[in-house]
Amino acid sequence: GAVVSQHPSWVICKSGTSVKIECRSLDFQATTMFWYRQFPKQSLMLMATSNEGSKATYEQGVEKDKFLINHASLTLSTLTVTSAHPEDSSFYICSAPGLAGGTYEQYFGPGTRLTVT
Amino acid sequence: SQQGEEDPQALSIQEGENATMNCSYKTSINNLQWYRQNSGRGLVHLILIRSNEREKHSGRLRVTLDTSKKSSSLLITASRAADTASYFCATKGTNAGKSTFGDGTTLTVKP
Repeated sequence: GAVVSQHPSWVICKSGTSVKIECRSLDFQATTMFWYRQFPKQSLMLMATSNEGSKATYEQGVEKDKFLINHASLTLSTLTVTSAHPEDSSFYICSAPGLAGGTYEQYFGPGTRLTVT
Repeated sequence: SQQGEEDPQALSIQEGENATMNCSYKTSINNLQWYRQNSGRGLVHLILIRSNEREKHSGRLRVTLDTSKKSSSLLITASRAADTASYFCATKGTNAGKSTFGDGTTLTVKP
């Protein structure tokens, strides 16, 4: 099946710094990718939809100036957490829809665990 | 708010027993997927069921979908300790659209 990778798998940063997370579709192209956030013992919440060649669409309550998304190519989307704070510590997961048997399955990356100290 | 609600929130059973988890959603869907997540890890895709399907099987897993009731169930038969994890349903409203997750069910299988 299709594979989505994320890098890094975990990162620790100091409060006030910025962190970039990459999401790549390895064997298929994705004009759209999705970014989710998961706090401990909670479900995944959609943060934003990343669109290749255009601006990302953010869900209500998600600060677009804090979570910068760039979808520069058909296989790469990046999420930059700017001026990170401890409350941004979370598990960030991306996904991309890929064709499988005539329908689109959602392929998820392995996630990036961000810890802000 | 989340599209899906799952029940129970937590389920504890003995090895060998069956586990059933339910998922309800609010709007029309294109398909529904079930995922497993071990603590601190990423998602593992289990089964995708399309809106025109009523039941699918994969090994010890059986998924049903009732679009009239906007609900789905995941049955794990002959459970094992290794099945201990959180299970999420995720719905898609359009074919290539975003997935919306339920709150999840935490399953504990005691050896």
